[in-house]
Amino acid sequence: EDQVTQSPEALRLQEGESSSLNCSYTVSGLRGLFWYRQDPGKGPEFLFTLYSAGEEKEKERLKATLTKKESFLHITAPKPEDSATYLCAVQAMDSGYALNFGKGTSLLVTP
Amino acid sequence: DGGITQSPKYLFRKEGQNVTLSCEQNLNHDAMYWYRQDPGQGLRLIYYSQIVNDFQKGDIAEGYSVSREKKESFPLTVTSAQKNPTAFYLCASSGSGSSTDTQYFGPGTRLTVL
Repeated sequence: EDQVTQSPEALRLQEGESSSLNCSYTVSGLRGLFWYRQDPGKGPEFLFTLYSAGEEKEKERLKATLTKKESFLHITAPKPEDSATYLCAVQAMDSGYALNFGKGTSLLVTP
Repeated sequence: DGGITQSPKYLFRKEGQNVTLSCEQNLNHDAMYWYRQDPGQGLRLIYYSQIVNDFQKGDIAEGYSVSREKKESFPLTVTSAQKNPTAFYLCASSGSGSSTDTQYFGPGTRLTVL
C-alpha cells in the first residue's frame, strides 16, 4: 500500500533559522512528488513537482529535493510570512490521477 | 483572472438534507477533482473527471455524487447517505488531462452539519 509520511508534524523556527521538512514515501513506482503550501482556511497553493531521484527545484527561500525514498523541503532564512502548513503528495505509476497526500507539517516562523 | 472558484465558502446542512457544492474553472483544464480534508488527516480523493460526461470514484465516494456536463464545471452533491459530512471540501483541476499534470486547487468550501 502506498504511504506518505511527513515529519515533523509541527515546527517552530525563529526568523532566519534554516531547517528542512521531510516527506517519506513508499510507492510501487513514482510518477511524481508534489509540494503544496496551505494557509489556514484556504486551498493548497502549488510549489513544486519532482519526478526523479536527484532532481532539485528552488523558489525564493524554498528548495525541494528528491531521493528514491524521501523528499526534503529546505527553508533558508525563513520569514514570518513562510508560516503555513506544507503538504507533500505522491502520484504512483499505477494510480492514474490520484494523489496520495501526507498529513502535512505545520510551520510557524516567529520574528 | 484565470482560476478556480468554489461556492459557497461556508455551508450549513441539516441532517437528512442533500447539498451541492459548486466548482468552476476558467483555466481550460480537462481534468477536475474533489477532495475532502479533515483535521489531522491528509486530503482524500472523492471523485475525479478527465473529460466532460465522464467521472470516476476516488477513495471515499460513498455518500457523494458528481456531474460533468460542462468542461468548466464539476459540482459535488453531498447526500444524506454521507454519515459524517462535516469537513473542508477542495476542488482542483489539471491541464491537458495527462496524469502527470499538476493539480491546482480552489479556495475550498467548509461544510458543517447542524
